[in-house]
Parts: sequence; C-alpha cells; structure tokens
Amino acid sequence: SQKIEQNSEALNIQEGKTATLTCNYTNYSPAYLQWYRQDPGRGPVFLLLIRENEKEKRKERLKVTFDTTLKQSLFHITASQPADSATYLCALDGNNNDMRFGAGTRLTVKP
Amino acid sequence: NAGVMQNPRHLVRRRGQEARLRCSPMKGHSHVYWYRQLPEEGLKFMVYLQKENIIDESGMPKERFSAEFPKEGPSILRIQQVVRGDSAAYFCASSPLETYEQYFGPGTRLTVT
Repeated sequence: SQKIEQNSEALNIQEGKTATLTCNYTNYSPAYLQWYRQDPGRGPVFLLLIRENEKEKRKERLKVTFDTTLKQSLFHITASQPADSATYLCALDGNNNDMRFGAGTRLTVKP
Repeated sequence: NAGVMQNPRHLVRRRGQEARLRCSPMKGHSHVYWYRQLPEEGLKFMVYLQKENIIDESGMPKERFSAEFPKEGPSILRIQQVVRGDSAAYFCASSPLETYEQYFGPGTRLTVT
C-alpha cells in the first residue's frame, strides 16, 4: 500500500541549531515533492517544491533534498528560530497530479 | 489578489442534518482540492475537481459526501445526514493550471452535536 511517513511526531531543538525533518514514501513514483508549514488553527502554507530530477533546493534558511533511490526527502531549517515552531508537512503528487500529505512533524524551537 | 476563501469558518450541525461547505479559489485558479483533518492528524485527501469535472474522488466516502465545482460560483462540499465522526476541519486548496503548489484556505471547522 502507499505510505508517506514523516519522522517523529515531534521534534524539539534549541534556537540556532539546524532542524532536520524526514519524509519517506512507499509505492509512489512522484514527479515532485512539496513541503508545507501549518500553524495551529490555520491552513498549510506552501514552502518549497523539488522535482525528481533535482537533488537539492534552497530558499533562504530552508534546504530540501530529494533522493528517488532512497525514496526520501530531507527538510532542513538552519539557524532555527522560535518563530519556526510549527508543523511541517511533506506532500507527493498522486496519480492525477493531486497531492497526498504525510501526517506532519511538529517542530518546537526553544529559545 | 484575495486568497482562497472558505465559509463558514465554523459550522455546528446536529446529527442527521446536512452540512454545506463553500470554497472560492484564488482568482485564475481552475483546480480545487478538498481535505479533511482530524485533531493531531495529517491532511487526508478527499477530492480533486476542475471546473464542472471531478478528476479524482478516491478519498471521499461513497455515501453521504459529494462535491462540485460549477462553471460559476464556489466549489461546494456537501455532507448529508452528518454523524459525530464527520466532526473535523475541512480545508480547501486551489492551484493554477501551470504549477503544482497549492494555496489553502483557512478551513471550515465542522462540529456535529
């Protein structure tokens, strides 16, 4: 069956450190993968998209890698800040270019 | 450019009533997606629509749930004869034809009493 698994439910790190979140998938062949941020009581907000032929993508303090052999994406936030505390969701394209989401990882950055 | 609009933001229904959730996509977006989210859980895909067409409804329960995206007007997610298990946040997202990133609305929180 198809699965999207994100690492631990919750990740706590100290301000200034790098947060690394993992997304593993099974029985998908995505052409691209996306990461979203969701704050409590709000809808997700798009952060980054990486295509299958791209190994790495960066945007400010964010970096995403995509390994189609390992079927894994890593999402890094460098120099993390308390304002980065949120739930981060990875999403893959399904069969009809619709998106399937992982359950998310709740990140808490402590000052 | 206004974002994705959803209304109502909060909806309370008694068991057996009907719930209608509305979603107005961003201007120029022709693709609409509906998701359900239970507390502390991820987004569950329900249905993907384009104007007047259902593209993928594999995530939507076969009974009581229906969705439409008419030529004019908002997309509607309709839940008939609601039960307590339907209580959740329902999010709508839209995307333009040429990109895949989705823009989400603020959600409708449905409570069934």
